[in-house]
Amino acid sequence: TQLLEQSPQFLSIQEGENLTVYCNSSSVFSSLQWYRQEPGEGPVLLVTVVTGGEVKKLKRLTFQFGDARKDSSLHITAAQPGDTGLYLCAGKVVGSGGSNYKLTFGKGTLLTVNP
Amino acid sequence: DSGVTQTPKHLITATGQRVTLRCSPRSGDLSVYWYQQSLDQGLQFLIQYYNGEERAKGNILERFSAQQFPDLHSELNLSSLELGDSALYFCASSSYPGAAEAFFGQGTRLTVV
Repeated sequence: TQLLEQSPQFLSIQEGENLTVYCNSSSVFSSLQWYRQEPGEGPVLLVTVVTGGEVKKLKRLTFQFGDARKDSSLHITAAQPGDTGLYLCAGKVVGSGGSNYKLTFGKGTLLTVNP
Repeated sequence: DSGVTQTPKHLITATGQRVTLRCSPRSGDLSVYWYQQSLDQGLQFLIQYYNGEERAKGNILERFSAQQFPDLHSELNLSSLELGDSALYFCASSSYPGAAEAFFGQGTRLTVV
């Protein structure tokens, strides 16, 4: 069972369209991050959210952390071909001991933006 | 550039062999994480070190081991390699074990033939 479920798994859209991808869990997270990964490269951190209900904006990207800190969404406005990549959410489960140090990843949403 | 350096970038080896992957964390970061990424499993946490000591362990096989040295670089040793070990191996670093954010290297692509 995947601790973080991301949906959709694949998304192919045209340039200029808007999209939302989701990251859901039954566990509560102390923080949640979104990363973008391009083929052959390592994940690159986009944003960290830590407070329930928090909304952060990064140019055309809007990130929201759920009120209960169990889920998050990423909304992209007017997508561009340069947004193409694997979007990964990751978080640290609220807990104690060593498990709190472990950054758990979802499997990602593979986004393709066609010109 | 995340500041995390991994070598080598590519590695091709035969089944049964042993390889060592190397990671230098960002300047000032004391914590190092190792992840394995395959198409079907996604990014799987293997192990974490902080200032030379193991702090958390994930789904790391007994054939795999890691360590962090006094200069804070880390090595991941993979032995008795099997075809299924072919994957991307990433190292990430953070300032301390509980830090919310981790910064990733570019990875080592291991191919076992």
